[in-house]
Amino acid sequence: DAGVIQSPRHEVTEMGQEVTLRCKPISGHNSLFWYRQTMMRGLELLIYFNNNVPIDDSGMPEDRFSAKMPNASFSTLKIQPSEPRDSAVYFCASIGTESDNEQFFGPGTRLTVL
Amino acid sequence: AQSVTQLDSQVPVFEEAPVELRCNYSSSVSVYLFWYVQYPNQGLQLLLKYLSGSTLVESINGFEAEFNKSQTSFHLRKPSVHISDTAEYFCAVKRGTSYGKLTFGQGTILTVHP
Repeated sequence: DAGVIQSPRHEVTEMGQEVTLRCKPISGHNSLFWYRQTMMRGLELLIYFNNNVPIDDSGMPEDRFSAKMPNASFSTLKIQPSEPRDSAVYFCASIGTESDNEQFFGPGTRLTVL
Repeated sequence: AQSVTQLDSQVPVFEEAPVELRCNYSSSVSVYLFWYVQYPNQGLQLLLKYLSGSTLVESINGFEAEFNKSQTSFHLRKPSVHISDTAEYFCAVKRGTSYGKLTFGQGTILTVHP
């Protein structure tokens, strides 16, 4: 299994531009999580899905952030418009009923907004 | 709601010395407890977990943690560290009946010096 796949691995953009981060969970996993990691705030849960349905989006910073999961094998996190304070590493993780409570993390997307 | 406190943000030690990374949690319900490790420029990986049964759990690379319900603690220990153990370690808690949502501590950076 390839594990959780995230793309791109690095993204540099200018303030005001739209940014789309992508995630492919492990096949068969039915829950997907988006996290943001910064030096100041540590690791924050932004949103998570169960069976493609958003369960808790209370961690989404503001309306500029949106996430979708159109099917069991793909999710996107979109920031529009982006701001310098959005610069962070964004992680996607997935978990399945067979994974015995272990969340599997992707390698992350390092976003820099200039 | 659950919360996790990692009492040390940074722990420097010399190679072959013992180490303890402290973690305390609060929760009004039964929980599962986890330690994740993050090596530089990588995603998080599960190190060990406590779900039920023996309160002492071990990882394959010599770490162990003990669940102490009365102290609400889940401290991570290793009797002799290696340079390769240098990483950031995150303690996390999950409510037993939740969808898989983890609450993470702020992380402890372990630096092993030669």
